[in-house]
Amino acid sequence: GESVGLHLPTLSVQEGDNSIINCAYSNSASDYFIWYKQESGKGPQFIIDIRSNMDKRQGQRVTVLLNKTVKHLSLQIAATQPGDSAVYFCAGTSMEYGNKLVFGAGTILRVKS
Amino acid sequence: KAGVTQTPRYLIKTRGQQVTLSCSPISGHRSVSWYQQTPGQGLQFLFEYFSETQRNKGNFPGRFSGRQFSNSRSEMNVSTLELGDSALYLCASSGTLQETQYFGPGTRLLVL
Repeated sequence: GESVGLHLPTLSVQEGDNSIINCAYSNSASDYFIWYKQESGKGPQFIIDIRSNMDKRQGQRVTVLLNKTVKHLSLQIAATQPGDSAVYFCAGTSMEYGNKLVFGAGTILRVKS
Repeated sequence: KAGVTQTPRYLIKTRGQQVTLSCSPISGHRSVSWYQQTPGQGLQFLFEYFSETQRNKGNFPGRFSGRQFSNSRSEMNVSTLELGDSALYLCASSGTLQETQYFGPGTRLLVL
C-alpha cells in the first residue's frame, strides 16, 4: 500500500568526501541551534551546537555555519566515513520557549564505500 | 557519567489502555523534556519539566501528561490510547535553560 509520511531528503556521498547538510528555520527569534545524528533504533545523538551570536563553530570533523539573515544552518562533515550514515536533524529554540526544541524534518546521509 | 535512560524500551498496548513511561536524566540535570517521534510528523515536543514543575507544553491533547520527581526522574502518561499514539517516545535532559539536551534511547510504543 501507499506509504504516508515525511519525505526526507537523501544525501549520498562517497567515503572520504565532505558532506554538507542544510537546514532552514522559520522563527527569527531562534537563538540556539543543535545538530543531532540519529541511527536506526537509537535516540538522537548530540553532534554540535551554536548560539546566534556566532556564525561558525567547529568540532572534530564537523563544522556548523549559521546565516541569520536567511535563517539557514548547515552542517559540514569532513572526510565522511561509513559510520556517519544516519539521519541528521537540526533543532532550534529561543529564550521565550525555554528548552522546547523545534526540529527540522531531517536528512538521510548515505555513505558509499 | 551514565546517559539518559528510559524504561521500558518496547511496549505493546491496545486501544483504550493507558501507559506510563519512565525517564532517568543524566546525574545533575534538572530539566527533562519529552518528544514524540513518528514517520508522519517527525520529532514533536510534548512537555518539559524543571525542578518538578512543568515549564512548557506542546500541542498535544490532555491525554498526554507528565510529572517530575524530586530526584529529577520523570514519567509521562498517556491515557485512553489511540492507534495514532504508536510512536517512539524520547526523553532528553539538560542542566538548565538552553543548555545542550541529551537524548535517551527512547521507548517504542505500539498500540494495537
